Amino acid sequence: DTAVSQTPKYLVTQMGNDKSIKCEQNLGHDTMYWYKQDSKKFLKIMFSYNNKELIINETVPNRFSPKSPDKAHLNLHINSLELGDSAVYFCASSQGGTASTDTQYFGPGTRLTVL
Amino acid sequence: GEDVEQSLFLSVREGDSSVINCTYTDSSSTYLYWYKQEPGAGLQLLTYIFSNMDMKQDQRLTVLLNKKDKHLSLRIADTQTGDSAIYFCAESRDDYKLSFGAGTTVTVRA
Repeated sequence: DTAVSQTPKYLVTQMGNDKSIKCEQNLGHDTMYWYKQDSKKFLKIMFSYNNKELIINETVPNRFSPKSPDKAHLNLHINSLELGDSAVYFCASSQGGTASTDTQYFGPGTRLTVL
Repeated sequence: GEDVEQSLFLSVREGDSSVINCTYTDSSSTYLYWYKQEPGAGLQLLTYIFSNMDMKQDQRLTVLLNKKDKHLSLRIADTQTGDSAIYFCAESRDDYKLSFGAGTTVTVRA
């Protein structure tokens, strides 16, 4: 059983399109995250939700909008895709305390390529 | 990760020990983590250490923490080809944030 799953695994699309990446966790965790890993493998947090509420919103363009229909799901919608959005996007989840006491478990990643 | 720094590459012979080093900046970090990323795969939590510990051992993995110098290391004993991967050091920050290093690519040669 996959603890944190993402779909799709690969996404290739044209510039200007709108796309969504889905994330689901079956760990019963309260907190979920989206990270972006660029071509140099640098990982940076984008968003975090705790019990469906946004708690972290880093400096990310407004074209990125997370949506949490319930605490087991955190989807990432991207409007008007740009070349620079090409990256691997990782979803993660944690039990729900502060990060200092809370281990994050990562999904397999979604490789987004914008042409 | 400008707040967490790691060397980018490490080449090690199969059977030798690997040591991956990391420095961090936030002295209030409570937990420090090591994640492993194999080619084309996601991040796998390897181990973590609580900031009031100096050392943690888990089978072939030994984590050393020098809180005074804000230095963290991961030692892999008897390195195998399956250990070839990128290893990320991460520190916990306030408000649910994890701050990652740039990752150390470990290559195991026969």
